[in-house]
Amino acid sequence: NAGVTQTPKFQVLKTGQSMTLQCAQDMNHEYMSWYRQDPGMGLRLIHYSVGAGITDQGEVPNGYNVSRSTTEDFPLRLLSAAPSQTSVYFCASSSPSWAGELFFGEGSRLTVL
Amino acid sequence: SQQGEEDPQALSIQEGENATMNCSYKTSINNLQWYRQNSGRGLVHLILIRSNEREKHSGRLRVTLDTSKKSSSLLITASRAADTASYFCATDDDSGSRLTFGEGTQLTVNP
Repeated sequence: NAGVTQTPKFQVLKTGQSMTLQCAQDMNHEYMSWYRQDPGMGLRLIHYSVGAGITDQGEVPNGYNVSRSTTEDFPLRLLSAAPSQTSVYFCASSSPSWAGELFFGEGSRLTVL
Repeated sequence: SQQGEEDPQALSIQEGENATMNCSYKTSINNLQWYRQNSGRGLVHLILIRSNEREKHSGRLRVTLDTSKKSSSLLITASRAADTASYFCATDDDSGSRLTFGEGTQLTVNP
């Protein structure tokens, strides 16, 4: 059972470039979310989804887009990368509702030059 | 904004000692969770305590919740070097759809 899989694990971008962080889970979880983790800031919620076709904004959504076309996948898109988006990104999923235990991926470390 | 705030930010103890970490939060909650993060890894769920519970145990972990003081504590008994990690508390919000994490406590257990 793979759990929550994030790709890529490491990525370096130049300012203004776009990219997509992939997240897939094989646990048939309804709830999925993206967090970013910065030193001294803990984890901050970017976007979340309570089911296929439904997404909503978290605490720090600016500069990021998400979609949820399937239960399994929840990609995070950076439209025009900025140095302030340098961070470690975590995808997490939960079932039967958001209030349950979150299962985290291993993280994607993004550097924007 | 951070809903949960952990205290202390860092804690260093000897193997075999107990470690206590505290979490304070600001608004009413439905439940509070504790997570652990080893360096360079994702977070792993440890324990969930609901707002109508006051204490919960899981192995060497003991969690208390005081909703009147809006605070929780995580006690790790008989610590081991392998317990070295960051520990985070997480709370839900009034909307019931967001889990907010604190900044974490870095625990170091010296062998």
